[in-house]
Amino acid sequence: GQSLEQPSEVTAVEGAIVQINCTYQTSGFYGLSWYQQHDGGAPTFLSYNALDGLEETGRFSSFLSRSDSYGYLLLQELQMKDSASYFCAGGTGRRALTFGSGTRLQVQP
Amino acid sequence: GAVVSQHPSRVICKSGTSVKIECRSLDFQATTMFWYRQFPKQSLMLMATSNEGSKATYEQGVEKDKFLINHASLTLSTLTVTSAHPEDSSFYICSARDSQSTDTQYFGPGTRLTVL
Repeated sequence: GQSLEQPSEVTAVEGAIVQINCTYQTSGFYGLSWYQQHDGGAPTFLSYNALDGLEETGRFSSFLSRSDSYGYLLLQELQMKDSASYFCAGGTGRRALTFGSGTRLQVQP
Repeated sequence: GAVVSQHPSRVICKSGTSVKIECRSLDFQATTMFWYRQFPKQSLMLMATSNEGSKATYEQGVEKDKFLINHASLTLSTLTVTSAHPEDSSFYICSARDSQSTDTQYFGPGTRLTVL
């Protein structure tokens, strides 16, 4: 099975940089994805790491270290609209994703 | 990107009735779709894996006779909550994997079910 742990809440100010960590325990791990979910909405895909290293997509970057069973999502130039819940999710080939516990990000002016 | 739709987006029903939720992949074929449930302020929990042309695979603790899943075509999966009770009130989200892809899943907008 899989389990993915994240901090429950993170608070940062507009314009700052914030890092959301994800540690996982899993067998047959395939890759780490990150999703954003606003209140009342469905998850939207942000980033995916199949290999170790950094993936950059605009203001968002995601990092994976398979040897450390660890990854993080980095959000730069924070905006108020970035206030949301962020989930890491582990995939195992063709199976469904297992979602982490989620991190609620609050961006303050 | 790929689009997945769900219908209805919101439903309120009386206890004891059945509710059907549709999940469609609009611009790609999905041999596999997944149904998740999310309670307020909690993470998404996988309920079942819907396989086109075969029986769904349910996660431990999910009653297959209560949550009926049908995946009759490569673009449509349905979840029917039978004899709904207030504790079934939740946000139900489907996702679909593009048959040509690996781990990228596309999520539907979700269905908020409220059972009175």
